[in-house]
Amino acid sequence: DAKTTQPNSMESNEEEPVHLPCNHSTISGTDYIHWYRQLPSQGPEYVIHGLTSNVNNRMASLAIAEDRKSSTLILHRATLRDAAVYYCILRDWQGGSEKLVFGKGTKLTVNP
Amino acid sequence: EAGVVQSPRYKIIEKKQPVAFWCNPISGHNTLYWYRQNLGQGPELLIRYENEEAVDDSQLPKDRFSAERLKGVDSTLKIQPAELGDSAVYLCASRGTDRAGGRVLWETQYFGPGTRLLVL
Repeated sequence: DAKTTQPNSMESNEEEPVHLPCNHSTISGTDYIHWYRQLPSQGPEYVIHGLTSNVNNRMASLAIAEDRKSSTLILHRATLRDAAVYYCILRDWQGGSEKLVFGKGTKLTVNP
Repeated sequence: EAGVVQSPRYKIIEKKQPVAFWCNPISGHNTLYWYRQNLGQGPELLIRYENEEAVDDSQLPKDRFSAERLKGVDSTLKIQPAELGDSAVYLCASRGTDRAGGRVLWETQYFGPGTRLLVL
């Protein structure tokens, strides 16, 4: 499985935008970029995913570099409830890998 | 829609004792996963089921761990005997699949809250 690199931790202030980076220089053409987050004492939850184009949903936006070797998860207005560990994961949509391979993720702290 | 249900939420046992975790996936989800999450780490897959068949158990320590998914719905993960290093959070997830013409369009794994195991 292709690997991702994320900062161990980041801090943000409430109601400010947050940009969480992820590097995936060995990404293959069929790898989707997935983001999950894990709130304290809960299981991970899906945030967003994309292949080549930038994506938006009600939770966040995903900006993908043109060469696909990096991506950024954008929380437009951080709230205290966004404090979590955010995981960037690559997944082969062709079914070659049926599992999510989690790294250590980025622990996001949101200050009031 | 009810999410993935796991029980118990917490379990404290002494080493060498057996322990079992139960998972009820989201209704209609054929794929079920068990993950283990050590402190400060991301979850690691232990086993994946497609209906009642274990299709990927390469990471399951088979000398002491076992799992079953009778009737392709609920699943149980067992450790016997437990060791100190088994202390972790055990997560169950199920996958929903949207298909068109047999091709998987999209899938999301939905995780339960986990069972936190402490082995003393």
